[in-house]
Amino acid sequence: AQSVSQHNHHVILSEAASLELGCNYSYGGTVNLFWYVQYPGQHLQLLLKYFSGDPLVKGIKGFEAEFIKSKFSFNLRKPSVQWSDTAEYFCAVEKGGGNKLTFGTGTQLKVEL
Amino acid sequence: DTGVSQDPRHKITKRGQNVTFRCDPISEHNRLYWYRQTLGQGPEFLTYFQNEAQLEKSRLLSDRFSAERPKGSFSTLEIQRTEQGDSAMYLCASSLATGSRETQYFGPGTRLLVL
Repeated sequence: AQSVSQHNHHVILSEAASLELGCNYSYGGTVNLFWYVQYPGQHLQLLLKYFSGDPLVKGIKGFEAEFIKSKFSFNLRKPSVQWSDTAEYFCAVEKGGGNKLTFGTGTQLKVEL
Repeated sequence: DTGVSQDPRHKITKRGQNVTFRCDPISEHNRLYWYRQTLGQGPEFLTYFQNEAQLEKSRLLSDRFSAERPKGSFSTLEIQRTEQGDSAMYLCASSLATGSRETQYFGPGTRLLVL
């Protein structure tokens, strides 16, 4: 069965530090890839997505992610985090044309002032 | 607000009772999904509709669960004879499926607590 792994469950950073959250998936075929964010008290929001083309995709709020097919990875990055980035981040994978999303377990990010 | 809406936002019930949740998707979205999320986990797929048709159901969806989308607009998820293990956040998402590129937009969820 397809699985999505997010190895960092809790991350604590100081403001202005750089961020990289790992995401690996097990499916070998064509995939669509997503990062969602859930801010405290809010619902899941789309951060960025990858369907095809340039493997480096940019999302909202200065986030970006790189798809590395050979590594089955889609890591999320931000050069300089802010206190307002405190949230839970979920990686999700959809098999090409498969419709349903398979989510990782999430990474809880806390940014300290 | 033109996002996905869900009602109720919270539900507390006693074991053995039936509960029903409603989801209103973004207008004109043809696909509607239900997911369940428990503490410390990501959302898990339950079922989805394309217009009125229920196209896939997860093995997580036991016989006590039923979902409908009668007119291809809103959807309901019913749980009969609730069990404590049903306590979770139930999430609805909708999308406009065009080819192989599809983005799902999530609602705020219904948090269910079964006592």
